[in-house]
Amino acid sequence: TQLLEQSPQFLSIQEGENLTVYCNSSSVFSSLQWYRQEPGEGPVLLVTVVTGGEVKKLKRLTFQFGDARKDSSLHITAAQPGDTGLYLCAGEENAGNMLTFGGGTRLMVKP
Amino acid sequence: DTEVTQTPKHLVMGMTNKKSLKCEQHMGHRAMYWYKQKAKKPPELMFVYSYEKLSINESVPSRFSPECPNSSLLNLHLHALQPEDSALYLCASRPRGLEGETQYFGPGTRLLVL
Repeated sequence: TQLLEQSPQFLSIQEGENLTVYCNSSSVFSSLQWYRQEPGEGPVLLVTVVTGGEVKKLKRLTFQFGDARKDSSLHITAAQPGDTGLYLCAGEENAGNMLTFGGGTRLMVKP
Repeated sequence: DTEVTQTPKHLVMGMTNKKSLKCEQHMGHRAMYWYKQKAKKPPELMFVYSYEKLSINESVPSRFSPECPNSSLLNLHLHALQPEDSALYLCASRPRGLEGETQYFGPGTRLLVL
């Protein structure tokens, strides 16, 4: 089983600050997905990255997949209280038909 | 439409009860998943169905019994659960379960076992 380490585990920042969440593995993933989850709800997909070196932007969120497809990052610019939630990265095992989840980053943005 | 629906949203059951969780999607997806998520933890995979056949069982106790009656429906039958089974149960689906496909999650069923 591929291990996916996510950092930081917790992050509490003020509105307007920038932040980066990291997702790292020693193994190669064929694709990686980022989700945001609110308490008691299911994870909501933010982005899927499949190509090494790929960068995708979603408004104030920037996602990057490492060149070697072993790591990924999520950068949020000018965080807002509505960004508060649990951020999960999930990597796909090659042809395994299943995702391996990172431990999650719990973000709190204070107004 | 990228919606996966789950019912009920909340469920309270005793340890001797039998209940079922339901999941439905109408996206034509042929890979469906059950996950269990404890508070402040990531989802843990329980079962994978591929083309209505059970393809992965992650050593889940037999008190959890999955069923896929057709390509749109996935059930999880519960019997003689323990209090430690209380969690958020998530259903998810993917088009074919192939590399690079996006996985879509339902809103979950929050289960409390008394």
